[in-house]
Amino acid sequence: QMQLQESGPGLVKASETLSLTCTVSGGSINNSDYYWGWIRQPPGKGLEWIGTIYYRGGTHYNPSLKSRVTISLDTSRHQFSLNLRSVTAVDTAVYYCARLYLALDLWGPGTLVTVSS
Amino acid sequence: DIQVTQSPSFVSASVGDRVTITCRASQSIAGWLAWYQQKPGKAPKLLIYAASTLQTGVPSRFSGSGSGTDYTLTISSLQPEDFATYYCQQANSFPSHFGGGTKVEIK
Repeated sequence: QMQLQESGPGLVKASETLSLTCTVSGGSINNSDYYWGWIRQPPGKGLEWIGTIYYRGGTHYNPSLKSRVTISLDTSRHQFSLNLRSVTAVDTAVYYCARLYLALDLWGPGTLVTVSS
Repeated sequence: DIQVTQSPSFVSASVGDRVTITCRASQSIAGWLAWYQQKPGKAPKLLIYAASTLQTGVPSRFSGSGSGTDYTLTISSLQPEDFATYYCQQANSFPSHFGGGTKVEIK
């Protein structure tokens, strides 16, 4: 059964780059049925869609974050990654990776990233 | 962008009550709407996709309906484990925005 797991630093300094990785296990990241995505949730707030990547590398980003975000894929490591540049306190959130097949049908447990000043 | 507006933001209900949550898209999303349930400290869980298709393993007391711009999630008889926050998401096009969420609390 496929599973997703986020990993990366839990603390990032303001103005630096937040980098997270999602490892896919129990299945192929190269499956043409799926997109792979990132979603975040600031403490006590709602869900915000960050962006997605297809196994061939095509990406779609939230326009509000597009200038700072890059999502990439490493099929050899069964991973996809999120880079968010020039972070500020408002980027403090739980970050989730997820599989998109008709909807976000499989999620990682999430990882809290705090931006410190 | 297609924006989604969810209402109400808060529901106070009792076990056994029927609960209805609505989601309105800023333009037609042709049935491409999903509903998620989130409990504190947990990742969201997919309940319904394509407006009305129940995800495998989701109890039949959950149902979804709608078309065009207007969609509804109904819980026919609220159970103790259903107290949670619910989100809709439009899946018609990117960016795939979420609604603001509806917290269902015990009356």
